[in-house]
Amino acid sequence: EDQVTQSPEALRLQEGESSSLNCSYTVSGLRGLFWYRQDPGKGPEFLFTLYSAGEEKEKERLKATLTKKESFLHITAPKPEDSATYLCAVQAEDYKLSFGAGTTVTVRA
Amino acid sequence: KAGVTQTPRYLIKTRGQQVTLSCSPISGHRSVSWYQQTPGQGLQFLFEYFSETQRNKGNFPGRFSGRQFSNSRSEMNVSTLELGDSALYLCASSLSSPQDTQYFGPGTRLTVL
Repeated sequence: EDQVTQSPEALRLQEGESSSLNCSYTVSGLRGLFWYRQDPGKGPEFLFTLYSAGEEKEKERLKATLTKKESFLHITAPKPEDSATYLCAVQAEDYKLSFGAGTTVTVRA
Repeated sequence: KAGVTQTPRYLIKTRGQQVTLSCSPISGHRSVSWYQQTPGQGLQFLFEYFSETQRNKGNFPGRFSGRQFSNSRSEMNVSTLELGDSALYLCASSLSSPQDTQYFGPGTRLTVL
């Protein structure tokens, strides 16, 4: 069965304090790994798709990387508006998306 | 371009009733997927529709069903509601290929009393 584990569950950062979120996975035939951001009461907002080990994607203060067993989401010099729950999802060979439980990031000014 | 829209945004029902939720995908998107999100189980895949046909299905009981119309709009139905069906129901649309990125709507918050 496909499994996605995100750590830590919660992360409290000071504004400007860089950190990384982890997403480890076991999946049969990875087709893609997705990162989403979700604010309270809203649907997930798409951030990145990674398809193969070694791939990296960047957007503003966020950078996602992928290895054969895990993905990292690096947040550089975060601001309070980066506070959200970050969700990782893997798409298996049957095209189904399996989501991790998420990491809730709180950035204090 | 307008995003994915879902109606209603909030719904309160009692056990045993049935409910229908609606989703309008992004213009030009032909695939619609449905998810259930709860604090305990997280986001779980319900089913996916493409060209009015169910293309993929998660592990939910038959009380959960859906359909898609020729304009790609989709509806999800839950019959004989149980307390455990209380959740945020999310709809996501994508272009056409199963590998295309899915874009989510704001969700429908269903409370079963």
